[in-house]
Amino acid sequence: GAVVSQHPSWVICKSGTSVKIECRSLDFQATTMFWYRQFPKQSLMLMATSNEGSKATYEQGVEKDKFLINHASLTLSTLTVTSAHPEDSSFYICSASILAGLLGGATQYFGPGTRLLVL
Amino acid sequence: EDQVTQSPEALRLQEGESSSLNCSYTVSGLRGLFWYRQDPGKGPEFLFTLYSAGEEKEKERLKATLTKKESFLHITAPKPEDSATYLCAVYAGGTSYGKLTFGQGTILTVHP
Repeated sequence: GAVVSQHPSWVICKSGTSVKIECRSLDFQATTMFWYRQFPKQSLMLMATSNEGSKATYEQGVEKDKFLINHASLTLSTLTVTSAHPEDSSFYICSASILAGLLGGATQYFGPGTRLLVL
Repeated sequence: EDQVTQSPEALRLQEGESSSLNCSYTVSGLRGLFWYRQDPGKGPEFLFTLYSAGEEKEKERLKATLTKKESFLHITAPKPEDSATYLCAVYAGGTSYGKLTFGQGTILTVHP
């Protein structure tokens, strides 16, 4: 149980183009989905938090117009990197969570990640 | 501000040599402490959730424990396939909507 998928697993694109990454919870409905970025040999950096049907909450320093997040259903969230540049090359990972209320636990289940290379 | 510190940064063990990884945390109102395993080029894999001091959980060669200030991940008789980065994270609840604060991870290498 608690399987999260991401698509594509890797993508190469030209500078200036937009790239969409999908994140799906396959066997559960996620209250909240998260998007992370990870640089080599570093820990996860949270980019944004999204709840189904509402606007994403972005972390400080993350450009919301560049990293568009759509959370259309309880099982699907998408991250679109607009006008990608080489510095956007990174490993992007999503996670999905079922919040057991504000006082409860919040285990996040992670997808396998998407490697983005912008040329 | 919530903080999570993991030690050591890297740990090299011989196969069968048991050891522990440490996760120290500072959080106001812990609602959950999580351990994940991450292999290179992959997303983190969920291992354990601990909610209160004194709680312990086990899975195969791994055992996680929790006190009011830290958590330990004990690895008994490790095998080379246990080599990975182990991440610790905390959840403070409230209005953070499930947001986790992660440590920097411990890179574990088990030599045959």
